[in-house]
Amino acid sequence: EVVMTQSPATLSVSPGERVTLSCRASQSVITNLAWYQQKSGQTPRLLIYGASTRATGIPARFSGSGSGTEFTLTISSLQSEDFAVYYCQQYKTGVNFGQGTRLEIK
Amino acid sequence: QVQLQESGPGLVKPSETLSLTCIVSGDSITSYYWGWIRQPPGKGLEWIGYIYHSASGSTKYNPSLKSRVTMSVDTSMSQVSLKVNSVTAADTAVYYCARLGANYYFDFWGQGSLVTVSS
Repeated sequence: EVVMTQSPATLSVSPGERVTLSCRASQSVITNLAWYQQKSGQTPRLLIYGASTRATGIPARFSGSGSGTEFTLTISSLQSEDFAVYYCQQYKTGVNFGQGTRLEIK
Repeated sequence: QVQLQESGPGLVKPSETLSLTCIVSGDSITSYYWGWIRQPPGKGLEWIGYIYHSASGSTKYNPSLKSRVTMSVDTSMSQVSLKVNSVTAADTAVYYCARLGANYYFDFWGQGSLVTVSS
């Protein structure tokens, strides 16, 4: 099983700030990595797949990078609607999700 | 655009079988893999498994749930089904149906169905 570890668990940030979320895999997943956003009470939404490709309709302020075992999701300038929980998911070997990073308003 | 709608009993007794159905509309059920993910209240996402429609019913399950899970596809009804047997309180969760994209990420999700396991 591939264990996905996200850090930090919670991040307090202000609107307009640039933020970087991290995701680490216990073994290489190459670029078979996706990111999701889940707002409170809502369904998860795909943001990024292939480690760096934005899904349809996702704003350009969201970007993903990394390969192998280290990945990041960057939001260039936080908007009020971006405060949510973010999950990474590997899909190289089966499927595993990280435990999530909660972005909260500072 | 594809739409997914989960349905099933909201309450299941311990040791019984949880059964959910996901109706797929707006897209061909035969063109994609379909998956199930669950989320216990206040917790993170857990992958349950995914399935393709082929005659062999190609499936892949989470190893931790494999012994209790069965998925199937009914192409005539355009629906995907999930069964989890011998449930306990730990199976209480919102269960999501989702479409898999070109690779094994989930690009469209249903609204989810809350299933509570309790006597």
